[in-house]
Amino acid sequence: GQNIDQPTEMTATEGAIVQINCTYQTSGFNGLFWYQQHAGEAPTFLSYNVLDGLEEKGRFSSFLSRSKGYSYLLLKELQMKDSASYLCAVRDKADSWGKLQFGAGTQVVVTP
Amino acid sequence: ETGVTQTPRHLVMGMTNKKSLKCEQHLGHNAMYWYKQSAKKPLELMFVYNFKEQTENNSVPSRFSPECPNSSHLFLHLHTLQPEDSALYLCASSQGTSGETQYFGPGTRLLVL
Repeated sequence: GQNIDQPTEMTATEGAIVQINCTYQTSGFNGLFWYQQHAGEAPTFLSYNVLDGLEEKGRFSSFLSRSKGYSYLLLKELQMKDSASYLCAVRDKADSWGKLQFGAGTQVVVTP
Repeated sequence: ETGVTQTPRHLVMGMTNKKSLKCEQHLGHNAMYWYKQSAKKPLELMFVYNFKEQTENNSVPSRFSPECPNSSHLFLHLHTLQPEDSALYLCASSQGTSGETQYFGPGTRLLVL
């Protein structure tokens, strides 16, 4: 089995930076994904990490440490439209059919 | 916009009804998935299809019956559901099943009375 933990909710001010942490315990590892999901909408792909280090994509960056079973998603220059749920998902190498295990999501609330 | 569409977007049904959810992907992918998303809970994988063949059934009750007539279409047939089955049902697709990014549809919000 797998255990994926992330905070339930975070609040930050427009223009600020927020870091969403995700820790995982898996029997194997073959990649970690971050998705953004606005209320009532589809989860949309944000980032993918399979090697240690930081991946930067505009205002969003994702970091991975495989030895620590840890990832974070960094949102910079927050905008009101960034208010959403952010889902961390891990693919266990033991799964042979692309199976992703998701965390419960972190609800980010951006205030003016 | 995401290339994966789902219908209906909202569905209310009684426990004795039979209904079907439809998913269509326009991305040329070969794998399709059904997920269940309940409030405050992680997405739960239900079924995986790769090249129209079911490759995963994640211990889903038989009142949920998937169908994949081709690589672009996926159905979820529902019958004699329970109130606890009320949730958001999400469809996703990916190029293959070797860890490629999955792209999600907007989901069907299901309420079972």
